[in-house]
Amino acid sequence: AQKITQTQPGMFVQEKEAVTLDCTYDTSDPSYGLFWYKQPSSGEMIFLIYQGSYDQQNATEGRYSLNFQKARKSANLVISASQLGDSAMYFCAMRAYRDDKIIFGKGTRLHILP
Amino acid sequence: EAGVTQFPSHSVIEKGQTVTLRCDPISGHDNLYWYRRVMGKEIKFLLHFVKESKQDESGMPNNRFLAERTGGTYSTLKVQPAELEDSGVYFCASSHLGLTPGDNSPLHFGNGTRLTVT
Repeated sequence: AQKITQTQPGMFVQEKEAVTLDCTYDTSDPSYGLFWYKQPSSGEMIFLIYQGSYDQQNATEGRYSLNFQKARKSANLVISASQLGDSAMYFCAMRAYRDDKIIFGKGTRLHILP
Repeated sequence: EAGVTQFPSHSVIEKGQTVTLRCDPISGHDNLYWYRRVMGKEIKFLLHFVKESKQDESGMPNNRFLAERTGGTYSTLKVQPAELEDSGVYFCASSHLGLTPGDNSPLHFGNGTRLTVT
């Protein structure tokens, strides 16, 4: 069975510091994709970053990077130089390509402190 | 392009009543998904349409939930009769058809419908 685990229900981080949000996954499919979404208090789901299982390099998108460790089945999100606007829920998600739906973890609520 | 839109944004109903949620996907997106998030829990998959066909409805909780996508455009999700445990935020998402390994097409989400059953 496929599964996404986010072990940090909540985190408090000082503004301008880097933050790492943990995500581990489980799938038997050799071909899969990993996603991170941000959900601010307004409720919308914002796509942040993607990592494919065959990608050789870690994905980066601006201040977001994905620390992909395939052998450990982890896909941690790193936010550099955190900002107050980064305060939100963050969801890790996975799509296995034999199974065309995306599954989500329980999320991590990130609080950036001024 | 217009994003995924959901209506209503909020709905408060009494136990036993019926509610219908609507989702308009991004134009041209053949894949349409429904998800639900109950407070404090993960976002749970409900079902997946490809055009007008139900590709996967393994996440539908029970027969009180009925989803349709007539004509392969917008979709509705009806809950009848609603129970207290149906409360949560219902998200709709869409994406392009023809996903292949390495395809990084994310799901595009609507803002959700917050359903409260009292």
